[in-house]
Amino acid sequence: DTGVSQDPRHKITKRGQNVTFRCDPISEHNRLYWYRQTLGQGPEFLTYFQNEAQLEKSRLLSDRFSAERPKGSFSTLEIQRTEQGDSAMYLCASDRTGTSSGANVLTFGAGSRLTVL
Amino acid sequence: AQKITQTQPGMFVQEKEAVTLDCTYDTSDQSYGLFWYKQPSSGEMIFLIYQGSYDEQNATEGRYSLNFQKARKSANLVISASQLGDSARYFCAPPGGNKLTFGTGTQLKVEL
Repeated sequence: DTGVSQDPRHKITKRGQNVTFRCDPISEHNRLYWYRQTLGQGPEFLTYFQNEAQLEKSRLLSDRFSAERPKGSFSTLEIQRTEQGDSAMYLCASDRTGTSSGANVLTFGAGSRLTVL
Repeated sequence: AQKITQTQPGMFVQEKEAVTLDCTYDTSDQSYGLFWYKQPSSGEMIFLIYQGSYDEQNATEGRYSLNFQKARKSANLVISASQLGDSARYFCAPPGGNKLTFGTGTQLKVEL
């Protein structure tokens, strides 16, 4: 397994355009998370899926943001009508339920950096 | 909501020396743990170590150990024998529900 993959790694777009990020989690992981990280801050939770169900969404996830995980494997995060404030690193992570240690360790991807001009 | 405090925005340490990174948290949960992650300049968050609140011993993982003080709600990360590759931003994160909530991090620079 190659870990959590994110694509693209970098995206530069003009304000008002739509962008989509893809995340491929570790194959045996049934939970997938999206986080956003701005410069100098820690990652902030956006949303998470268990299998194909989106179980929680942060208030940070405005109606311009939509995330999907249609088959319970890869996920996409789309941002419509991008704004300069959307410029950030978008991190994807995955884990699986039912670990015996009691501590579900998130495995993160390398992130997708968005710059909105 | 949980509040995580990492009071050291930046730290410097000489190679081969030990360094302690502070983390305190505010939670009303009776059962909680705390994760530490490292983020090098490449951007990927790398899991380092976890401490459960009911663990009797401080967690250790290679050169990483936690100084866990439950009453003070602090779990400071100790890195022994620092290496140049330890230069990165370090985040602590208690789990809350089904997600992690991260602090603002401490930027560590290891110098020769």
